[in-house]
Amino acid sequence: EIVLTQSPATLSLSPGERATLSCRASQSVSSYLAWYQQKPGQAPRLLIFDASDRATGIPARFSGSGSGTDLTLTISSLEPEDFAVYYCQQRRTWPPTFGQGTKLEI
Amino acid sequence: EVQLLESGGGLVQPGGSLRLSCTASGFTFSDYAMSWVRQAPGKGLEWVSAIIGSGGTTFYTDSVKGRFTISRDNSKNTLYLQMKSLRAEDTAVYYCARQRERIVAYFDYWGQGTLVTVSS
Repeated sequence: EIVLTQSPATLSLSPGERATLSCRASQSVSSYLAWYQQKPGQAPRLLIFDASDRATGIPARFSGSGSGTDLTLTISSLEPEDFAVYYCQQRRTWPPTFGQGTKLEI
Repeated sequence: EVQLLESGGGLVQPGGSLRLSCTASGFTFSDYAMSWVRQAPGKGLEWVSAIIGSGGTTFYTDSVKGRFTISRDNSKNTLYLQMKSLRAEDTAVYYCARQRERIVAYFDYWGQGTLVTVSS
């Protein structure tokens, strides 16, 4: 199975700053990668699919890029509600797998 | 509005059984494959099982094969996960999730989750 490694484990930033989260795959996922946001006590929410397509209702400050083994989620200017845990997930091969998460903290 | 509502979680002894349910609304349930995804306390997300819209094909992660059974009743808009021979490592919040794609998929809607605790 494809192993996804996210970095950093924790990212400490302030509102208004730019956040860059990385997801590295053990083999190519092409562009078959999604990003999810999870807040404490809540279910994950789909943000980005197919590496760079925003899901319905997701603000434009969230963007995804990359392909192959190195993919990135960028939040252009952090809002207070963006502080959460972010997971990447691949659907390039069976089974679908998730990264271990990046905690974005204030 | 798409809604998924899980139920059936609770405390069970090792070796015991539990059946989770997920009731769907706001979309044509039979048109979508569905999955169960779990999250152990303080840990990340792990895909567990999936079933296509007709219910004719199912998939499992290796660690639950032979112990868990996924099923669905499209007339009741309900997804199930029958769990047997439960182990401590099955302790987690179990989410049902709608798949965007038929087989290997992203998950575009999630329920709020139901907690399963396996402990003596």
